[in-house]
Amino acid sequence: DAGVIQSPRHEVTEMGQEVTLRCKPISGHNSLFWYRQTMMRGLELLIYFNNNVPIDDSGMPEDRFSAKMPNASFSTLKIQPSEPRDSAVYFCASSPGTGQFNEQFFGPGTRLTVL
Amino acid sequence: AQSVTQLGSHVSVSEGALVLLRCNYSSSVPPYLFWYVQYPNQGLQLLLKYTSAATLVKGINGFEAEFKKSETSFHLTKPSAHMSDAAEYFCAVISSGGYQKVTFGIGTKLQVIP
Repeated sequence: DAGVIQSPRHEVTEMGQEVTLRCKPISGHNSLFWYRQTMMRGLELLIYFNNNVPIDDSGMPEDRFSAKMPNASFSTLKIQPSEPRDSAVYFCASSPGTGQFNEQFFGPGTRLTVL
Repeated sequence: AQSVTQLGSHVSVSEGALVLLRCNYSSSVPPYLFWYVQYPNQGLQLLLKYTSAATLVKGINGFEAEFKKSETSFHLTKPSAHMSDAAEYFCAVISSGGYQKVTFGIGTKLQVIP
């Protein structure tokens, strides 16, 4: 099993540009999470999908952020327009089922730098 | 609301010494508790989890944690530190009854000194 796959691993962009982060969850997992990690705020949940449907997007910072999950094997997180304060490591995680015992499997992350 | 507090953002131990990373939780309902580890430039990996069965939980790489309800604690320990244990460790909580929203602590960076 390849695990959770994220691309790109690193992204450097200029303020105002659109950024799209991609995630392929583990096959068979039906829960998907997007997290943001910064030194100041730690690890924050941005959005949670179950069976491709957004269940909780209360962590999405503002309208500049949007996430989609068109099918069970692909999700995107888009920032438009990007700002320097969006610089962070963005993680995607997937989990089998919806039970609380289920472990979340994290991808390697995308390090985003907005200049 | 649920939360976890990790005491000490940085901990240093000598190789072979006891590792103790502290975590206290707050939850209005019985919690499920987790420890994750993050190695440099990698995602988080589950070390162990407490799900209301045994209060002493054993995980990977020789780590274990004990759930103490009276102290609202879930400290992570390892009898003898190894150089490969140098990483960042995150305590996390899910409150039973909800969906899988996990609340992570701020993390503790463990340095192992040779």
